[in-house]
Amino acid sequence: NAGVTQTPKFQVLKTGQSMTLQCAQDMNHEYMSWYRQDPGMGLRLIHYSVGAGITDQGEVPNGYNVSRSTTEDFPLRLLSAAPSQTSVYFCASSPAGIPSTDTQYFGPGTRLTVL
Amino acid sequence: AQKVTQAQTEISVVEKEDVTLDCVYETRDTTYYLFWYKQPPSGELVFLIRRNSFDEQNEISGRYSWNFQKSTSSFNFTITASQVVDSAVYFCALSEKNTGGFKTIFGAGTRLFVKA
Repeated sequence: NAGVTQTPKFQVLKTGQSMTLQCAQDMNHEYMSWYRQDPGMGLRLIHYSVGAGITDQGEVPNGYNVSRSTTEDFPLRLLSAAPSQTSVYFCASSPAGIPSTDTQYFGPGTRLTVL
Repeated sequence: AQKVTQAQTEISVVEKEDVTLDCVYETRDTTYYLFWYKQPPSGELVFLIRRNSFDEQNEISGRYSWNFQKSTSSFNFTITASQVVDSAVYFCALSEKNTGGFKTIFGAGTRLFVKA
């Protein structure tokens, strides 16, 4: 199993540009989520999904869109990038809905810089 | 509402010292899960432990131990005889049930420096 994969690893955008951060998992996990990590603020939940076709907002959803058309993929879209979105983005998955196994597996992260 | 507080921003110790990382949480749920993750300088997040709210038994894994106390809403992490390889940022996290799944909130993290 590859686990949770994220692409790209690094990205530089100009203000106003759009892009999609890709996240895929091959563990057949129902639950997937996106976090951003900023210095001194830990990880903050952006959006999450409890299964294909179902998404919900986390703590900091503004400026980001998500969709979940398949179990495997959970892309994060920045429609109009802003410097405040400069961060490291982590995707995670877990077999949610099964409390005994609610352990999240994290991808390697995408470091995004918005100029 | 969920909240996780890691009051210690940075801790610096000398190798072989014991160190405790504090975590205090807030939740209204009776069913929840607590986690610790390690983020070494390489940047990936490594799962260390998960506890559910009904199991207050402390746990020991090698040099790592965890003290879960519901009475004080704390889930502290102790590293015994610290090593340089323990240098990392450690995150405490809280998961509680939400619309069809579990929503996880992280603390701000504690950066641990272990000097040789």
